[in-house]
Formats: sequence, C-alpha cells, structure tokens
Amino acid sequence: QKEVEQNSGPLSVPEGAIASLNCTYSDRGSQSFFWYRQYSGKSPELIMFIYSNGDKEDGRFTAQLNKASQYVSLLIRDSQPSDSATYLCAVNLPGGYNKLIFGAGTRLAVHP
Amino acid sequence: ETGVTQTPRHLVMGMTNKKSLKCEQHLGHNAMYWYKQSAKKPLELMFVYSLEERVENNSVPSRFSPECPNSSHLFLHLHTLQPEDSALYLCASSQSLPETETQYFGPGTRLLVL
Repeated sequence: QKEVEQNSGPLSVPEGAIASLNCTYSDRGSQSFFWYRQYSGKSPELIMFIYSNGDKEDGRFTAQLNKASQYVSLLIRDSQPSDSATYLCAVNLPGGYNKLIFGAGTRLAVHP
Repeated sequence: ETGVTQTPRHLVMGMTNKKSLKCEQHLGHNAMYWYKQSAKKPLELMFVYSLEERVENNSVPSRFSPECPNSSHLFLHLHTLQPEDSALYLCASSQSLPETETQYFGPGTRLLVL
C-alpha cells in the first residue's frame, strides 16, 4: 500500500513565526511532490511543487525534498493568520500516467 | 472563475435518486480525475481519464458511474447512493504526461445523501 504520511496537527504558530510542515512517502519511485493548501469548505489549491533534491523557494514558501530519506517539507516564513488552513502533501505514483496520492493533511493555525 | 468548474456546488439526494455531477476544464488539459474527500480522511482517487480513456477505477462501487465525452468534460453519474457516500466530490485536470504534471482542482460538489 503506497502511503503519504503527515502529522494531522493542529500546528499552532504565532504570527510572524516560521511554520514547518512535514511529509513522508513510501514509494521510492516517486518523482514529483506537491503542496496544496485547503481552506475549510474549499478545494485544494497548489502552493508549490518540487522535483529535485534540495530547496525550492517561492516568496514566503520553501519546499524541501530529500529523496534518500523519502521526506518532503514546507516552510512558511512570516506566517500570517491568512495562512491558517490545512496543507496537503501529494506525491506522484509512477505507472504510465499522472496519478497522485495525498496525505491526510496538517492543519495549521496562525494566531495573532 | 477557476479553470476547472463543477456543478452543482451542493446536492442533497435520497438513496433512490439518480443525479449527475458535471465538471468542465478550460485549461487545455487531456486528463481528468474524480476524487472523494470525506471528513478526516485523505483525498481518495476514484477515477482517472487520460485522453478520454478510463485508466483508473480505484475499486469504486458501481453506484458511481463516470463518463468522459471529450477532454474538457467529465461527469459522475450517481444512483442508489448510501449515506456514507456523503462527501465533497472534487474534479481535477492536468496534462496526462509527463507523470509529474500538476493537477488543478475545481471547487467541488458537496453531496449529502439522506
């Protein structure tokens, strides 16, 4: 059974702090990794994707990938109350077409 | 408006009803997906269509019947559902290849089965 594991949270951080969200996956053949944000009652929206080992930065967001450890993380710098949402980690499953498996998500709460 | 639209946004149906969910993508993609999202559970992939051909049926009960008439439209036909089928149903689209392409989601249909 291919799996993606995330801590369900809630992860509570003060406004302005760094939020660190973590994800592990089981399929060593996975090549692409995605972070989606989902506000309550809404659909997931893409935050970032990463394909290569190392860090990828986009504004206040940094994705980190370590394929040897099968570990992906998302850092949110200068966290804002508007960042409060559930963050979903998704990993592709190799197999000839585009197929993702999702973690259950980590709920982030940024308090003023 | 998002590049992926879904109708209706909310649906209440009895167990004996038949209804259909509609998804349309305006992104020029050639793969479309149906997901189910229940409370406290990960998104569950239900069906995948790539180039209008169904390539994945993730052990979904036959009371859910997908249809993909062309690369821009995807339907999910529902009949004799159970209360446990109440969930958020999400449609997504992407390019089918390479396998690493991003999937973009529609706003979802919130389904309640009474």
